[in-house]
Amino acid sequence: EAGVAQSPRYKIIEKRQSVAFWCNPISGHATLYWYQQILGQGPKLLIQFQNNGVVDDSQLPKDRFSAERLKGVDSTLKIQPAKLEDSAVYLCASSLEGAELFFGSGTQLSVL
Amino acid sequence: AQSVTQLDSHVSVSEGTPVLLRCNYSSSYSPSLFWYVQHPNKGLQLLLKYTSAATLVKGINGFEAEFKKSETSFHLTKPSAHMSDAAEYFCVVTTFGDYKLSFGAGTTVTVRA
Repeated sequence: EAGVAQSPRYKIIEKRQSVAFWCNPISGHATLYWYQQILGQGPKLLIQFQNNGVVDDSQLPKDRFSAERLKGVDSTLKIQPAKLEDSAVYLCASSLEGAELFFGSGTQLSVL
Repeated sequence: AQSVTQLDSHVSVSEGTPVLLRCNYSSSYSPSLFWYVQHPNKGLQLLLKYTSAATLVKGINGFEAEFKKSETSFHLTKPSAHMSDAAEYFCVVTTFGDYKLSFGAGTTVTVRA
């Protein structure tokens, strides 16, 4: 089966610019997650969707980050405006019943 | 609330020697526990998982982990390290029905020839 697809693979922007990441989960997976992984740290959950509804966005900096999952399939994560501390790898993951997560390769963001 | 503590930020072993990565967890209810591996510039891959069945869990690439409720531990082991085992390893806990995962800070494994 196809894995979790993410794009772009790399992105370099200047601070205060906007950026968007895209994720297509494994077909049939109802739960979708966005994680932020800063260099040297474990992944931190930003937002979790169950179908097209938000289950948990308690750690999402809502003043600059937004995410949506239209039609309960693919999802986009947006940062506007970006800050230097947003430099990280953004990981998308999906799961069928909330147990095992399948991760995409991530988008590496550098904010200059 | 649930959390995970990985006791070693970095482990260095010689090729062919055993590997031990330590993980302690806290969870209010019956936990599910996972070990994920992340090779450089790659996504996270599931090594193994514990979901209340056998306490000794075997995973891919010769890894195994033992769930010890009395010690709240889920240590990862491999009898003989290979160069390809050099990577970042994450211990993860979730509570059944919660669908929220808590990651440890990670353990970097280096393998010396």
